[in-house]
Amino acid sequence: ETGVTQSPTHLIKTRGQQVTLRCSSQSGHNTVSWYQQALGQGPQFIFQYYREEENGRGNFPPRFSGLQFPNYSSELNVNALELDDSALYLCASSPKGLLKETQYFGPGTRLLVL
Amino acid sequence: GENVEQHPSTLSVQEGDSAVIKCTYSDSASNYFPWYKQELGKGPQLIIDIRSNVGEKKDQRIAVTLNKTAKHFSLHITETQPEDSAVYFCAASLQGGSEKLVFGKGTKLTVNP
Repeated sequence: ETGVTQSPTHLIKTRGQQVTLRCSSQSGHNTVSWYQQALGQGPQFIFQYYREEENGRGNFPPRFSGLQFPNYSSELNVNALELDDSALYLCASSPKGLLKETQYFGPGTRLLVL
Repeated sequence: GENVEQHPSTLSVQEGDSAVIKCTYSDSASNYFPWYKQELGKGPQLIIDIRSNVGEKKDQRIAVTLNKTAKHFSLHITETQPEDSAVYFCAASLQGGSEKLVFGKGTKLTVNP
């Protein structure tokens, strides 16, 4: 088990609603990345936060946004939910220094959009 | 952008046999290659990784090899056990500020007792 925690574990929303997912990084890690994993697929990079700023973004529309807080925890916000947003959302944290590309994943939040 | 191809998509072996999963990547700038194991209902768990300055790395029954010239890397699991059954993902990391991981589509490994 990594020290990365995510909440909630499961969530059901309807199309058009907004959702906020939360992530607490592993102790000593200052970088948080978010991924979307559709059923039967590999995770896809959404964005990364470092020192409370977005530090890279994948091919996701602006309705996917995020925040990082001074304690390195993070939120993923998705507006105007679409059916295709149904997926497992994974948060990964990375340590400082030379091993910063090593990412440790949390258990994920499973989102279902009806 | 970077693309990672992973084969096979499913792999079934007998307990005690070896399993090999192969990945190729497209961006020669990639320099970090982790492997993750994902069990049902859980997040991916890092099992081994390799950096581009190393050709091979081993950790007990698990080994990874990297061929930078051919742009492919492989996961080798020896003496497989039923608890090795899971979905395995390879990934490649692009150089640059975000170190984002680009994942393959996964290999479902089944180890039959």
